[in-house]
Amino acid sequence: DSGVTQTPKHLITATGQRVTLRCSPRSGDLSVYWYQQSLDQGLQFLIQYYNGEERAKGNILERFSAQQFPDLHSELNLSSLELGDSALYFCASSVGGGTGRVGEQFFGPGTRLTVL
Amino acid sequence: AQRVTQPEKLLSVFKGAPVELKCNYSYSGSPELFWYVQYSRQRLQLLLRHISRESIKGFTADLNKGETSFHLKKPFAQEEDSAMYYCALKGRGTDKLIFGTGTRLQVFP
Repeated sequence: DSGVTQTPKHLITATGQRVTLRCSPRSGDLSVYWYQQSLDQGLQFLIQYYNGEERAKGNILERFSAQQFPDLHSELNLSSLELGDSALYFCASSVGGGTGRVGEQFFGPGTRLTVL
Repeated sequence: AQRVTQPEKLLSVFKGAPVELKCNYSYSGSPELFWYVQYSRQRLQLLLRHISRESIKGFTADLNKGETSFHLKKPFAQEEDSAMYYCALKGRGTDKLIFGTGTRLQVFP
């Protein structure tokens, strides 16, 4: 599958814990985006990386951080987890980034995080 | 503030009936508007974008700047159109998408 991949599919953890979500973009895509979808909420933009550098930030909590590695995969780190962090976390990728002329964003299948 | 509003959580129609999924936006400037669709057990995918002015799977959407709307329409719904539909906005000079909360379309036989 040459599309966007995300691991793990499901993650169950306890409050106060820390987890890492991983995303591999489509081959050739330089931008990676992270979105959070909570119950009854639309997808909320968290952060964008382009070729290893942070390009845009949305409503991302200070407890959350992300990075993009030289091989262009990205990780989203969530720490001091709270019940309200339970959500679907989507990753998307696109060819360009940072210019506003980026092409279509391609989405991964998502990681479902449950915080108990 | 930038916002996308989809007032209907659920829209149910019978096969062959016309469909209109509503989307209104708030943005000071000229945004790009998109419709994304998520079929059951599939990932979110782009359906159409206003700058393309094209019809995909029989769906069309016209950007109405006066009414700040980008409603998605199809004259004759098919059962395979049943899915979750999200309207999204992208501002000038940025890449991030601002999504609405989505509308679930159910097409009954």
